[in-house]
Amino acid sequence: DAGVTQSPTHLIKTRGQQVTLRCSPKSGHDTVSWYQQALGQGPQFIFQYYEEEERQRGNFPDRFSGHQFPNYSSELNVNALLLGDSALYLCASSSGQGFNEQFFGPGTRLTVL
Amino acid sequence: DQQVKQNSPSLSVQEGRISILNCDYTNSMFDYFLWYKKYPAEGPTFLISISSIKDKNEDGRFTVFLNKSAKHLSLHIVPSQPGDSAVYFCALQSGSARQLTFGSGTQLTVLP
Repeated sequence: DAGVTQSPTHLIKTRGQQVTLRCSPKSGHDTVSWYQQALGQGPQFIFQYYEEEERQRGNFPDRFSGHQFPNYSSELNVNALLLGDSALYLCASSSGQGFNEQFFGPGTRLTVL
Repeated sequence: DQQVKQNSPSLSVQEGRISILNCDYTNSMFDYFLWYKKYPAEGPTFLISISSIKDKNEDGRFTVFLNKSAKHLSLHIVPSQPGDSAVYFCALQSGSARQLTFGSGTQLTVLP
């Protein structure tokens, strides 16, 4: 059973460009959350997708957008990249209500030059 | 404003001894408290959790303690093993989306 997978592993972009990151959730999971982890910090919640809709959003500008597909996979899009967007982007999948364990992928390392 | 703080960026412990990792929070809205472990080049891995209605949860070598009045969470690992060397994050869960609010992490090094 494959866990959460993310692509690409690494990405280098320049300021002003746009980027798309991809995530496939763990089998049986229907909910995908995205987190940004800057160097030396803990992950920060960006947003969550459930039933192809954004269910909750953290404190991130609307340059950050996402999508969830019918097979529950998800994309994170970032427009007009800034140097400060350089970070590890983590995808987590989960299922159900109440307490639920979120399973994380290995992340995509984005570097903005 | 930092809602979750891990004040020790690093901790070194001798193999076989106890490791104690700490986490403080400011808001009472959280209802589940979790610990994640992270190795380099991997995503965080869930370790153990505790509900806000409990004060202790144990799983093998790992025990989590919650002191709600002090808004303090701790993870005890005993005995510590070299394979436990990793970054440990406390993560507090809240909201309809069950989103996690993480601390900044503590690098644990267990010396053989």
